[in-house]
Amino acid sequence: NAGVTQTPKFRVLKTGQSMTLLCAQDMNHEYMYWYRQDPGMGLRLIHYSVGEGTTAKGEVPDGYNVSRLKKQNFLLGLESAAPSQTSVYFCASDDRAGTGELFFGEGSRLTVL
Amino acid sequence: GQSLEQPSEVTAVEGAIVQINCTYQTSGFYGLSWYQQHDGGAPTFLSYNALDGLEETGRFSSFLSRSDSYGYLLLQELQMKDSASYFCAVKRTGANNLFFGTGTRLTVIP
Repeated sequence: NAGVTQTPKFRVLKTGQSMTLLCAQDMNHEYMYWYRQDPGMGLRLIHYSVGEGTTAKGEVPDGYNVSRLKKQNFLLGLESAAPSQTSVYFCASDDRAGTGELFFGEGSRLTVL
Repeated sequence: GQSLEQPSEVTAVEGAIVQINCTYQTSGFYGLSWYQQHDGGAPTFLSYNALDGLEETGRFSSFLSRSDSYGYLLLQELQMKDSASYFCAVKRTGANNLFFGTGTRLTVIP
């Protein structure tokens, strides 16, 4: 079972470059999320989606955009990367069962020089 | 505002019992979740408390007291593989996402 798959797993960017992180889930989950994780700061929500065609801002949305054109995919875009966006990015999905369980991808490590 | 406070680090001996606390300040939430994350890995779900009391899953137990704004994760018969970071998280009332604490790094020593 694939679960939640993120691509790419590693990427190095120069300041000002753009890129897109792709998240795909095969569990037919309605809700999907993008979190970033920095040392000592836990997981912080960037954007999320409650269904195909919908997106909403989380705690730290500035500098990021997202799209959910298909139910199984959730894309995170950086239009002009900054060193402050160096982080590990995690995608997650939720089956809305009310169990408090998120299913996470393996993470994407992004370095912005 | 809201916050979830956890100790940043805990060290315990293999075979022992350790408790990781989570105190919170939030106006209302559906339940308290716990996640485990090994270095370089993804967070994985451990447990969820919707109601006050103790939930047991094998060697792991989780507790919630809404009146005390407090919860904990209890790990028994510690094994070296339990060395990881542990996060508590809440889904606030009216919200669609989990809010995570800053995590506790558990080190199990022989």
